[in-house]
Amino acid sequence: ETGVTQTPRHLVMGMTNKKSLKCEQHLGHNAMYWYKQSAKKPLELMFVYNFKEQTENNSVPSRFSPECPNSSHLFLHLHTLQPEDSALYLCASSQDPGNEQFFGPGTRLTVL
Amino acid sequence: GIQVEQSPPDLILQEGANSTLRCNFSDSVNNLQWFHQNPWGQLINLFYIPSGTKQNGRLSATTVATERYSLLYISSSQTTDSGVYFCAVESGSRLTFGEGTQLTVNP
Repeated sequence: ETGVTQTPRHLVMGMTNKKSLKCEQHLGHNAMYWYKQSAKKPLELMFVYNFKEQTENNSVPSRFSPECPNSSHLFLHLHTLQPEDSALYLCASSQDPGNEQFFGPGTRLTVL
Repeated sequence: GIQVEQSPPDLILQEGANSTLRCNFSDSVNNLQWFHQNPWGQLINLFYIPSGTKQNGRLSATTVATERYSLLYISSSQTTDSGVYFCAVESGSRLTFGEGTQLTVNP
């Protein structure tokens, strides 16, 4: 597998469920990112990790909980989400923060 | 924060036509990227172009950093060029995206 992969590609969950999104990069990069893309809106940065350390949290509600166990893997744990959290969640990586970013295919999340 | 404006918001072309997409940004940036988002949501890297001009096949891009804008040129458009084109600027290690240009190329 090459590039940036994300699983699952589609997810439907209720407001009381707990689920996790997974991202894996095979590019040897040090930085990883989570973005949210809601309908008719530009991509919004959520979190930045550099060498497994969170360097940015863009005022994201605590019902979204990121985890970065190593430089190749990034998770987004979801709990008690709201219908307005339905969106496309995109993961990206770059060699270092500020370098060219490469994106995964995204997880399309629907919260019922 | 930095503002990114893309124009036009929507563009409809006949196959074979040429087009120019514009990206204006409100402050100095370290880098700029152009992406094509396909109908399935995948963001495909087109150019990483903090300044100057680059070409890749039928696509080319020019960034004039001192005047805070970038242009994406698409020549001899094809139906597969349809999708949303995003400009994103990097400042302080974060990418800020514009709202995109929705391009439709009709056969």
